[in-house]
Amino acid sequence: DIQMTQSPSTLSASVGDRVTITCRASQSISSWLAWYQQKPGKAPKLLIYKASSLESGVPSRFSGSGSGTEFTLTISSLQPDDFATYYCQQYNSYSLFTFGPGTKVDIK
Amino acid sequence: EVQLVESGGGLVQPGGSLRLSCAASGFTVSSNYMSWVRQAPGKGLEWVSVIYSGGSTYYADSVKGRFTISRDNSKNTLYLQMNSLRAEDTAVYYCARGGGYRQKIDYWGQGTLVTVSS
Repeated sequence: DIQMTQSPSTLSASVGDRVTITCRASQSISSWLAWYQQKPGKAPKLLIYKASSLESGVPSRFSGSGSGTEFTLTISSLQPDDFATYYCQQYNSYSLFTFGPGTKVDIK
Repeated sequence: EVQLVESGGGLVQPGGSLRLSCAASGFTVSSNYMSWVRQAPGKGLEWVSVIYSGGSTYYADSVKGRFTISRDNSKNTLYLQMNSLRAEDTAVYYCARGGGYRQKIDYWGQGTLVTVSS
């Protein structure tokens, strides 16, 4: 089974900061990785798919990179609406789709 | 406009059963990969099950043999039949479009809460 890890688990930042979250897969998943944002009491929202493709309607301050086993999500200039929890997910397997444990971005 | 609306959650005793429904609009369920994802209180996201457009189904090890994913094409609705429920199945269950092999999840329902407790 493919395991996903994320770091850090919590990140304290200020508005305007550049923020980077890392996601690692236990084996190569090529570029089949998505990033989701979730706010309390709400469903997740797709931000990035296929490692670096920006979902329609998502602000351009969000970007993704990586391939194989190491991936990053970057927020170029953190906005008040961006305080949330972020999850990566691999979707390279036919029968098992794993989420990372999440990274909570809170206010410094 | 794509919409997914879950229903059927509630309080059930350990060992009991529940069927969740997910009514879709704005697209055809049978032509898409469809998934269920759950989130226990205060925890992260956990993939539960997927049904492919061809009808193949897959499950997380934690629910295999107890949960069954299905769809009703005439009602454009996705289901999750949950049997032999355990306390650890307590979670918000989300219906989602996509989530299969090399297919992003691009739409999510609002979620329905399942509580397993005596």
